[in-house]
Amino acid sequence: QVQLQESGPGLVQPSETLSLTCTVSGGSISSYHWSWIRQSPGKGLEWIGYIYSRGSTDYNPSLRSRATISEDRAKNQFSLNLNSVTAADTAVYYCVRGGYSGYIGWYFDYWGQGTLVTVSS
Amino acid sequence: QTVVTQEPSLTVSPGGTVTLTCASTTGAVTSGYYANWFQQKPGQAPRSLIYSTTNKHSWTPARFSGSLLGGKAALTLSGVQPEDEAEYYCLLYHGGDQLWVFGGGTNLAVL
Repeated sequence: QVQLQESGPGLVQPSETLSLTCTVSGGSISSYHWSWIRQSPGKGLEWIGYIYSRGSTDYNPSLRSRATISEDRAKNQFSLNLNSVTAADTAVYYCVRGGYSGYIGWYFDYWGQGTLVTVSS
Repeated sequence: QTVVTQEPSLTVSPGGTVTLTCASTTGAVTSGYYANWFQQKPGQAPRSLIYSTTNKHSWTPARFSGSLLGGKAALTLSGVQPEDEAEYYCLLYHGGDQLWVFGGGTNLAVL
């Protein structure tokens, strides 16, 4: 059974960097696409970006200039750094597994429980 | 800026059938948009239901089905149960610069 668990500070100062880690158990991160998705309080979901295929990344253009997703295969973890945060970045952040094959197309399947990050002084 | 639109809210009676739709400002949704659907209940993480328009995950109840309908992606619930009351989100692949865009969600009430 694949499980994902987010971790990181629950409070970040404005203008600083938000840093989160997702630890994956029950499967290797060497395959699949590993996404970060967020949800502002009372709002909808927003795809931030993903890492795949030996460190390749794609990002939501609205966050591309501030977001960096990286991986640590030895620890079976991937991470999100979001710099220059403001109150608008306050959200629950989820890590999610997904993937693509020519046979079944694109899928997102396993989600972490999410972690609330508040940007405030 | 690509926008994905869903019905803000729908109501269905227990045992009934309801269809939720997902449209894109880029044009008619096709299989190439690889629509994914998610269910979210209050205080919980979203749960994946449908991928690549029509495919169910191993845990997806049989009463949920995905399709294309009138240029939109659609999620149909047949024989709705009270526990289906939730927020439902679609996610569409646009490729290019926009890649993945979520719809705003549909709040489904079972009354």
